[in-house]
Amino acid sequence: NAGVTQTPKFQVLKTGQSMTLQCAQDMNHNSMYWYRQDPGMGLRLIYYSASEGTTDKGEVPNGYNVSRLNKREFSLRLESAAPSQTSVYFCASSLTTSSEQFFGPGTRLTVL
Amino acid sequence: KQEVTQIPAALSVPEGENLVLNCSFTDSAIYNLQWFRQDPGKGLTSLLLIQSSQREQTSGRLNASLDKSSGRSTLYIAASQPGDSATYLCAVESNYQLIWGAGTKLIIKP
Repeated sequence: NAGVTQTPKFQVLKTGQSMTLQCAQDMNHNSMYWYRQDPGMGLRLIYYSASEGTTDKGEVPNGYNVSRLNKREFSLRLESAAPSQTSVYFCASSLTTSSEQFFGPGTRLTVL
Repeated sequence: KQEVTQIPAALSVPEGENLVLNCSFTDSAIYNLQWFRQDPGKGLTSLLLIQSSQREQTSGRLNASLDKSSGRSTLYIAASQPGDSATYLCAVESNYQLIWGAGTKLIIKP
């Protein structure tokens, strides 16, 4: 089992460019999440998907969109990247929304 | 609005000591509380999950307690080892979302 995988691991964008962060889990989990982590701060929830076919906004959804492609995959899209979106992005999954969450290794994104 | 605070932000202790990390939250209406470990440049690993109806959970040298009424949780690490060096984060679940503290960076000196 690979657990939760994320691609890419590193990315540098210019302001205004777009990109999609990919996440996949092989644990047959129903719920998936996208977080961002900024220096000196805890993680903040961007979007989550409680189950296949549903998505909901978290604490900081502005500037992002998500797609729950199927039960395994949950992608995060930045349509027009801004320097304020420079951060480390983590994807996580859990059996249900109240179960233990398992995290991917993260994507370090820099927007110039 | 739920807020989670972890004090201290950093802690350095000699190997072998027992230590306590603290987590406090402002709203006692939580579903559960979780403790995670984060190693530099890596993802997060879940250590312990305490349901709101529970008072503590134990895993090996780790023991986590929860006092909802006072809005506090502690993570006790017994007989600390250099391999315990990492950042420890706590998170509370409210309204299907995890609200996170900023973490305590722990250094265990050999």
